[in-house]
Amino acid sequence: EAGVAQSPRYKIIEKRQSVAFWCNPISGHATLYWYQQILGQGPKLLIQFQNNGVVDDSQLPKDRFSAERLKGVDSTLKIQPAKLEDSAVYLCASSSQRVGQPQHFGDGTRLSIL
Amino acid sequence: SQQGEEDPQALSIQEGENATMNCSYKTSINNLQWYRQNSGRGLVHLILIRSNEREKHSGRLRVTLDTSKKSSSLLITASRAADTASYFCASLGNTDKLIFGTGTRLQVFP
Repeated sequence: EAGVAQSPRYKIIEKRQSVAFWCNPISGHATLYWYQQILGQGPKLLIQFQNNGVVDDSQLPKDRFSAERLKGVDSTLKIQPAKLEDSAVYLCASSSQRVGQPQHFGDGTRLSIL
Repeated sequence: SQQGEEDPQALSIQEGENATMNCSYKTSINNLQWYRQNSGRGLVHLILIRSNEREKHSGRLRVTLDTSKKSSSLLITASRAADTASYFCASLGNTDKLIFGTGTRLQVFP
């Protein structure tokens, strides 16, 4: 089966600019996650979708971050405006419907803010 | 922070040796999962242990879980250079949200 696809792989922008990331999960996976991984740390959940509904966005900085999952398949994560502290790898993951099952990760987008 | 902690932060060994990584978490769990991350890549699921299990094996991997101490360990036996990566534990509580640890960077020298 095809894995989780993410694009772009790398992005460099200046602070206060906007950026968007795209994720295509594994076919049939109902749950989709966006994580932020700062260098040297473990991933931190930003938002979790079940089909096209938000399950958890408690750690999403909603003043600047937004995410959507139209039609319950692909998802986009946007940052507007970006801050220096947003420099990180943004990982997308998906899992099957059953609670607690292993998550499958994409290779992420490495974002650098100048 | 809710994030769990892993120990050691970094580990260097020779091929053929065993590698042991420890993980502590903060809340009660349904299961605990271990993931590997190669440099510049996403995380890959290795093994899942449920809260009512104490030990689990998968190939060269052995995971233990002590819920009374809120801790887990991952043992990789007969390490290979290809095992060089970062390893993360992730605890799953009642909220269906994985809480990742800080990771252990393993370097295996040929």
